[in-house]
Amino acid sequence: DQQVKQNSPSLSVQEGRISILNCDYTNSMFDYFLWYKKYPAEGPTFLISISSIKDKNEDGRFTVFLNKSAKHLSLHIVPSQPGDSAVYFCAAPRQISAGSYQLTFGKGTKLSVIP
Amino acid sequence: DTGVSQDPRHKITKRGQNVTFRCDPISEHNRLYWYRQTLGQGPEFLTYFQNEAQLEKSRLLSDRFSAERPKGSFSTLEIQRTEQGDSAMYLCASRLANYNEQFFGPGTRLTVL
Repeated sequence: DQQVKQNSPSLSVQEGRISILNCDYTNSMFDYFLWYKKYPAEGPTFLISISSIKDKNEDGRFTVFLNKSAKHLSLHIVPSQPGDSAVYFCAAPRQISAGSYQLTFGKGTKLSVIP
Repeated sequence: DTGVSQDPRHKITKRGQNVTFRCDPISEHNRLYWYRQTLGQGPEFLTYFQNEAQLEKSRLLSDRFSAERPKGSFSTLEIQRTEQGDSAMYLCASRLANYNEQFFGPGTRLTVL
């Protein structure tokens, strides 16, 4: 049961343009979302997050938008740089027990920023 | 470097052998997680520790897998009688209580021949 879905396996963007990575979820109980970036042969690196009480969170070149009614979120990178080329994962905490949770990840989108 | 560390980074073993991986979380983090990632997939949850207590295990964690966190600091993940299907990246993550963000180590790449 894939509760977090990233339907685009890959995305290519020209350097300097906007990259938009999309994520859909099915579990309406999710109240927090995170984006991670992963380079080959490295662990995922936390990038940005958003609480379900917000519809936007911005950190430098990275902005995450949340549309709760559509169960959809997106990560915008402006302007895109070659160093942004990586696999991006959308994740949400799924409760294990009171106060404890595990992260449920999408399958990832591989972003390639072309110089 | 005060991030999460994992050892070894790479492990190649023959089918049927036992392997053990180590994770050292960020020192003040009392929550520790193990995940497994295969090609084309996101990380999948394996098990979770709060201090030294193992509070949750995934269905993915067969009886050949065992994890420990004896003193609530570092953790080990052991796979007995490895199978080719165990080949994957094994990731460790840690976090502080009351925070959602988990911080991952670089992973251990296991190849079972």
